[in-house]
Amino acid sequence: GENVEQHPSTLSVQEGDSAVIKCTYSDSASNYFPWYKQELGKRPQLIIDIRSNVGEKKDQRIAVTLNKTAKHFSLHITETQPEDSAVYFCAASTWDDKIIFGKGTRLHILP
Amino acid sequence: NAGVTQTPKFRILKIGQSMTLQCTQDMNHNYMYWYRQDPGMGLKLIYYSVGAGITDKGEVPNGYNVSRSTTEDFPLRLELAAPSQTSVYFCASSYGRNTEAFFGQGTRLTVV
Repeated sequence: GENVEQHPSTLSVQEGDSAVIKCTYSDSASNYFPWYKQELGKRPQLIIDIRSNVGEKKDQRIAVTLNKTAKHFSLHITETQPEDSAVYFCAASTWDDKIIFGKGTRLHILP
Repeated sequence: NAGVTQTPKFRILKIGQSMTLQCTQDMNHNYMYWYRQDPGMGLKLIYYSVGAGITDKGEVPNGYNVSRSTTEDFPLRLELAAPSQTSVYFCASSYGRNTEAFFGQGTRLTVV
């Protein structure tokens, strides 16, 4: 079946440094790749998404890149701040309209 | 708009009992999803629906059933609760294919 792999499972960075989270997907028909942020005890919320017709998208300190040939996409957070501490999930659409999630990355921003 | 509303927020079930997790959305979204979230395991898709009258299995459908008789509602039924179904359940909805999914606040279910 379709699968989304996400790495690393835990990431610690110094405040002000950059964080990168990487995902790979298995369904060659995937064409929508959202990223969600989940704070402790809260619901997941979309922070950025990218569709297969573009290779990169930016929104202030957040960017996502997509390599369809390699079936690989990444989330980049620059100038990290304490409020960036959370669990981040990548996801991918499938040929039959599912949205499949990775296992998540717990991001710790160190003071 | 209330968005996606789930009830109840918390529930304790005994093994073998049944219950229905309710989910309703007021955004006129066509697509609705049920996920379960276990610690360190991300979000696993249980069932989803692309419109009223249409439901499909996700990654982990065993032990669950759904129905979609209206656009607004997408209840999830557990028939014979098992300890393995202890989890946090999230309902989500989106307008259409490849659009943002909005999540409910979750239901924390414990089966003892």
